[in-house]
Amino acid sequence: KQEVTQIPAALSVPEGENLVLNCSFTDSAIYNLQWFRQDPGKGLTSLLLIQSSQREQTSGRLNASLDKSSGRSTLYIAASQPGDSATYLCAVVTSGTYKYIFGTGTRLKVLA
Amino acid sequence: EAGVVQSPRYKIIEKKQPVAFWCNPISGHNTLYWYLQNLGQGPELLIRYENEEAVDDSQLPKDRFSAERLKGVDSTLKIQPAELGDSAVYLCASSLDSAGDHEQYFGPGTRLTVT
Repeated sequence: KQEVTQIPAALSVPEGENLVLNCSFTDSAIYNLQWFRQDPGKGLTSLLLIQSSQREQTSGRLNASLDKSSGRSTLYIAASQPGDSATYLCAVVTSGTYKYIFGTGTRLKVLA
Repeated sequence: EAGVVQSPRYKIIEKKQPVAFWCNPISGHNTLYWYLQNLGQGPELLIRYENEEAVDDSQLPKDRFSAERLKGVDSTLKIQPAELGDSAVYLCASSLDSAGDHEQYFGPGTRLTVT
């Protein structure tokens, strides 16, 4: 059974700092991995989708990497801003299923 | 282009009462998902539709929960009767298909409080 873990559970950093959020999964046979952002009281916003054949994806100040063999993905945020404050969730689709399994998220606070 | 629309945004009901949530996915999206999200947790899938067919409802508590997606577009999720433990956010999402090649897009959710 696929399990997704995100560390740390919460993170507080000063504005301008580069940071890394971690996501690990127990079954490396994944179809894809997606990073989401969730603001308080809101739904999820897709940030990056990485297919199993890819090693990384970039969008603006965000870079997500995928290492299937070690069951890990990282989300790198460059030059963090107060507007980046949110909960970041990763989700994986295990091969042979069409079901997203979510981690519990990392709650990020960027201080001005 | 409009995103995934859900209503109501908030609902407060007494236990044992029925409740229904509505979702309108992004136009052209064949796959529709209903998720449940408890506070501090990631979403958990309740049911997935491919067009009008429920292809994965293994996590749906069928004794009290039901869902439908008539005509393969809008969907309704119902709880009858509601229990205190059903208090959570119910999220709807859609994607072009479920092959995994396409991103899921989420609605704002319905926050249910059962008293």
